[in-house]
Amino acid sequence: DGGITQSPKYLFRKEGQNVTLSCEQNLNHDAMYWYRQDPGQGLRLIYYSQIVNDFQKGDIAEGYSVSREKKESFPLTVTSAQKNPTAFYLCASSIGVYQETQYFGPGTRLLVL
Amino acid sequence: AQKVTQAQTEISVVEKEDVTLDCVYETRDTTYYLFWYKQPPSGELVFLIRRNSFDEQNEISGRYSWNFQKSTSSFNFTITASQVVDSAVYFCALSPYNQGGKLIFGQGTELSVKP
Repeated sequence: DGGITQSPKYLFRKEGQNVTLSCEQNLNHDAMYWYRQDPGQGLRLIYYSQIVNDFQKGDIAEGYSVSREKKESFPLTVTSAQKNPTAFYLCASSIGVYQETQYFGPGTRLLVL
Repeated sequence: AQKVTQAQTEISVVEKEDVTLDCVYETRDTTYYLFWYKQPPSGELVFLIRRNSFDEQNEISGRYSWNFQKSTSSFNFTITASQVVDSAVYFCALSPYNQGGKLIFGQGTELSVKP
């Protein structure tokens, strides 16, 4: 089955800790994205990547970092600089970046202890 | 500014009623795409439709239909004969031209269909 997987489903972060959210796709898509969703709100773009070893900041990149070493994988690290990390994080992918349909993974809910 | 507004925060209907979810967008681009996604309680966003700015033809897919009116910058979504399984949050999104595939989402409309 082709799709996008995200792990873990729930993640707890302690004060001052960096945590990494995993996103993997087997759709052979070139582009991948990370969005953040806060309660009662729409999604906001954190980072996106059009191709391996390249990525760009979205609207709310501060306190986050990403890497794209493989086409299938686009992990997101929430650093200690992100002061309000509690949110639902969604990863998406698309064939290309030019207004193609984005398909989403099941999401990771990050909570701060 | 580029923006998507879904003015209806919550809608509640009884099963078999028709319901329309409104979406109004703002953009100066002449080329853009519009999307609708469904987010059931599980959280994953499910793609429903993609429409480009040059195609104003209405679309119907089963009980779902979409009305795109460029003159009023609206892309409304209607569910006919709603069912309990339609209960979810629905998002309208705008993909502007040449912005790396970025999606600008509305706030979402939470639809509750009661039996």
